[in-house]
Amino acid sequence: GQQVMQIPQYQHVQEGEDFTTYCNSSTTLSNIQWYKQRPGGHPVFLIQLVKSGEVKKQKRLTFQFGEAKKNSSLHITATQTTDVGTYFCAVRNTGGFKTIFGAGTRLFVKA
Amino acid sequence: EAGVAQSPRYKIIEKRQSVAFWCNPISGHATLYWYQQILGQGPKLLIQFQNNGVVDDSQLPKDRFSAERLKGVDSTLKIQPAKLEDSAVYLCASSRGTGEIYEQYFGPGTRLTVT
Repeated sequence: GQQVMQIPQYQHVQEGEDFTTYCNSSTTLSNIQWYKQRPGGHPVFLIQLVKSGEVKKQKRLTFQFGEAKKNSSLHITATQTTDVGTYFCAVRNTGGFKTIFGAGTRLFVKA
Repeated sequence: EAGVAQSPRYKIIEKRQSVAFWCNPISGHATLYWYQQILGQGPKLLIQFQNNGVVDDSQLPKDRFSAERLKGVDSTLKIQPAKLEDSAVYLCASSRGTGEIYEQYFGPGTRLTVT
């Protein structure tokens, strides 16, 4: 069945450092979504990637979808304390309609 | 627009008791999802409705969990009887549909503690 792996599980950074989380699938994906969950909060949609090799930017966040549509990354440039939280990828198989969430990468930012 | 509403926000019950959660999605959203999120894990899809029909319930423990969305709007999720391992946050989400763009909006969740 569909498996999605996120790495790393945790990341501690100093404020101002960069951060990257990776999402890898065992099968080809239809699309991938990224969500952010603040401590004690609920997941909030960040972006969706659909096309092979797609790159999208939101201010300091850069999202990339792999050429083979099996992996994706989220990169944050110059982290701030407001970036603290858990970042989840959510994937859907080609031809499918069921969304599967990764286990998430928890980001800690030290001021 | 108003967000996804859930109630109650917190619930503490003893094992073998029953509990029900309620969700009201964003107006006009055809798709409704129930997720279980155990501490430190990603949300796990329990059931997905498209209007009032079930799209996927493959991970719903049907011997104890049930869910309905009778009029294609709000939904209830029930656990009967509860087990210790059901302690988790139950998240409801909605989206406009299940087409190519299906951004999910989550409610605040119900934190369930089973003792």
